[in-house]
Amino acid sequence: SQTIHQWPATLVQPVGSPLSLECTVEGTSNPNLYWYRQAAGRGLQLLFYSVGIGQISSEVPQNLSASRPQDRQFILSSKKLLLSDSGFYLCAWSVRGPNTEAFFGQGTRLTVV
Amino acid sequence: DQQVKQNSPSLSVQEGRISILNCDYTNSMFDYFLWYKKYPAEGPTFLISISSIKDKNEDGRFTVFLNKSAKHLSLHIVPSQPGDSAVYFCAATPYGNNRLAFGKGNQVVVIP
Repeated sequence: SQTIHQWPATLVQPVGSPLSLECTVEGTSNPNLYWYRQAAGRGLQLLFYSVGIGQISSEVPQNLSASRPQDRQFILSSKKLLLSDSGFYLCAWSVRGPNTEAFFGQGTRLTVV
Repeated sequence: DQQVKQNSPSLSVQEGRISILNCDYTNSMFDYFLWYKKYPAEGPTFLISISSIKDKNEDGRFTVFLNKSAKHLSLHIVPSQPGDSAVYFCAATPYGNNRLAFGKGNQVVVIP
């Protein structure tokens, strides 16, 4: 069966520090991968998605970047965190093809102080 | 611009009764619709979906209805159980896209 791992679960970082969140998927090949963010009182916002190694699309301009160095590994990064980067970050995967559901990791609660 | 809207952010319902959650969307290109359930500090869990070629999909206690002309869908949970207490997100995507647009969520509290 497929599983998705995301870490760390919680993170407190000072403003201006770098960020690296990692996500890996097991039990499937060539998945679509996604990073979402849920800010306080808001829905889930798609930040990045990837259809293959090295292929990253950004949905919104922001202080973050994403990379996919391996087929089932997706990394969310920032060189210098802002207070507004605080939120609940979720990695997700889906199979290729139309009309398929996304499966989410447990999420990372990031607090920038 | 919120393309998927969930009003009435919270709902309280007695155990055994029906919970009805509503969702409206503005993008006429949306072709596939999903509902997710989320507990605090966890990732959302997929519940049920519906394609635009259907107007109803049922899975156990969960039924999703789609009204394309009104750009409206709803989730019915019957009977409601205490374990259903969670935040429910409506999501939608255009055909072949798989990039989900989410609503803000509805908090459901089932009272034993």
